[in-house]
Amino acid sequence: AQSVTQLDSHVSVSEGTPVLLRCNYSSSYSPSLFWYVQHPNKGLQLLLKYTSAATLVKGINGFEAEFKKSETSFHLTKPSAHMSDAAEYFCVVSAPFYNQGGKLIFGQGTELSVKP
Amino acid sequence: ETGVTQSPTHLIKTRGQQVTLRCSSQSGHNTVSWYQQALGQGPQFIFQYYREEENGRGNFPPRFSGLQFPNYSSELNVNALELDDSALYLCASSLSGRGSETQYFGPGTRLLVL
Repeated sequence: AQSVTQLDSHVSVSEGTPVLLRCNYSSSYSPSLFWYVQHPNKGLQLLLKYTSAATLVKGINGFEAEFKKSETSFHLTKPSAHMSDAAEYFCVVSAPFYNQGGKLIFGQGTELSVKP
Repeated sequence: ETGVTQSPTHLIKTRGQQVTLRCSSQSGHNTVSWYQQALGQGPQFIFQYYREEENGRGNFPPRFSGLQFPNYSSELNVNALELDDSALYLCASSLSGRGSETQYFGPGTRLLVL
């Protein structure tokens, strides 16, 4: 079975400072992992995806995440926060396609606030 | 923008009614997945359609049903609406069967059941 745990429900940073959003996962299979972002009253936008090609994954808008199998973690980072980064962030693991259609299992989300 | 569209954007229904939500997938995609996102929570998988067949279902009762059409667009139907069905309903399209599992989401339909 697959699951994800986002360790912080809310993170607050100042503009220009680093961002760290923490995620631990559990998977019976070699996992595909994602980070999605959701701005208020909007749908979900894919930030980045890990599928075992490289452990450090670069995404859009300066975000990146590192897959650490030994720690079962997939933390999201950004060197310098921007006001437009304020949103809800979801860490996601997917089941393989042959197992329940590759459904996505979402964490509870981390709300990122960015102070001027 | 992902190219995934949903209609309507907002909907108000009363308890016991039925509702149909629609999703048009991104061009070239053959799979549509539906998710329910209650306020303050992460999305929950409802079911997935691949080449017009149901290909996986989450922990939702049978009053949640769906269809996928030959052009790969999809409908989600919910019968006998309950107050707890109030949520944002998201559809996502993907190209399955080729090792690519990235799902691209539409903007959602916000359903309010009174």
